[in-house]
Amino acid sequence: SALTQPASVSGSPGQSITISCTGSSSDVGNYKLLSWYQQHPDKAPKLIIYEVNKRPSGVSNRFSGSKSGNTASLTISGLQAEDEADYYCCSYGGLSTWVFGGGTKLTVL
Amino acid sequence: QVQLVQSGAELKTPGASLKVSCKASGYTFSTYGFSWVRQAPGQGLEWMGWISSYNGNTNYAEKFQGRVTMTTDTPTTTAYMELRSLISDDTAVYYCARDRDYFDYWGQGTLVIVSS
Repeated sequence: SALTQPASVSGSPGQSITISCTGSSSDVGNYKLLSWYQQHPDKAPKLIIYEVNKRPSGVSNRFSGSKSGNTASLTISGLQAEDEADYYCCSYGGLSTWVFGGGTKLTVL
Repeated sequence: QVQLVQSGAELKTPGASLKVSCKASGYTFSTYGFSWVRQAPGQGLEWMGWISSYNGNTNYAEKFQGRVTMTTDTPTTTAYMELRSLISDDTAVYYCARDRDYFDYWGQGTLVIVSS
């Protein structure tokens, strides 16, 4: 089943926010293959974090990831207006399967 | 630069089949596989399955087993996703994504509307 994310989070410019992603010992808790995606309206998702805490080239260092037990987290520091988007986590689920979180809508106030 | 370019939007009637293409360029095709992900209107991302571009091995999400077939064609560097017996709930944007144990490049998406 889908990983659990908060439906929405918000923050003011310059602040930091954290989005959680909770799974189980069968997915998030058992693998380092946890990634995060940013999706702006009517656009394809964009990879922002992979393998829990690695950033692809070109992604701002304001984005960081971590994991503890069955819960992963995405932190965005120094919020900017352009960060307003939907964010999805994704975990390997074993047996060559992947599972996404339900998505979190970030509003920059 | 890596690019994944998908086929255009489609309107299908219930019971029909759908085949979406995803042409890859900018890297060695057989090095990485593809995952297909769909997104129903206003909903989240849903993983449908994976195919190896190296040997054609596949793994489908349980929800789609028996109704989906993923293939690749190395000479044309194109991946395909076929979904059969369409119902209205299959209305969604379908994405291909390069799979490196994370999805680092995505196609632009293909809107599929299933309606009578």
